[in-house]
Amino acid sequence: KAGVTQTPRYLIKTRGQQVTLSCSPISGHRSVSWYQQTPGQGLQFLFEYFSETQRNKGNFPGRFSGRQFSNSRSEMNVSTLELGDSALYLCASSPGQGGETQYFGPGTRLLVL
Amino acid sequence: GEDVEQSLFLSVREGDSSVINCTYTDSSSTYLYWYKQEPGAGLQLLTYIFSNMDMKQDQRLTVLLNKKDKHLSLRIADTQTGDSAIYFCAESLLWGGSARQLTFGSGTQLTVLP
Repeated sequence: KAGVTQTPRYLIKTRGQQVTLSCSPISGHRSVSWYQQTPGQGLQFLFEYFSETQRNKGNFPGRFSGRQFSNSRSEMNVSTLELGDSALYLCASSPGQGGETQYFGPGTRLLVL
Repeated sequence: GEDVEQSLFLSVREGDSSVINCTYTDSSSTYLYWYKQEPGAGLQLLTYIFSNMDMKQDQRLTVLLNKKDKHLSLRIADTQTGDSAIYFCAESLLWGGSARQLTFGSGTQLTVLP
């Protein structure tokens, strides 16, 4: 099976812009989670989607949002970008039921100037 | 709340065993994971253990869980230079039968010296 794919891999934006990141889970997986990784805060949970519904949300401002499509692909959006949003954004997929492990994609590295 | 702690750095000689330690605070049913991250890459799942187990072995990797002390360790036998990376311990709460968000430690930078 192909692994988790994320696009784009690298992105440069300026403050105030918005950005959309995409994640395609492993085939058959219905749960997609998003994490932000920064040198200062480490790895932090953003949100999780299962069957097109947000099941769980981390402690991030409303500028961070996401959605999931019927084919389980997910997108996350960050509006009004701030310098502090520069990070590696990681997507993880799991089957979604029964305590399974999460498999991560390579991440999208976002730089906000 | 959940909190996962790890030491930041570990150096070992090639061929020796590495032991990376982690402590967690949540006492609910949970899965505990070890992930590896190489420079510029995502997280690679190494192994995991459920909180009702004491030990799990997978080739060169051995995970030990001390539930009383909420202490988790990852032992890598015969450490190689390719094992140099950051190792993350993570905890996942089990909600309604499904693992949900992962809470990560800060990561341990393992350096393998020739």
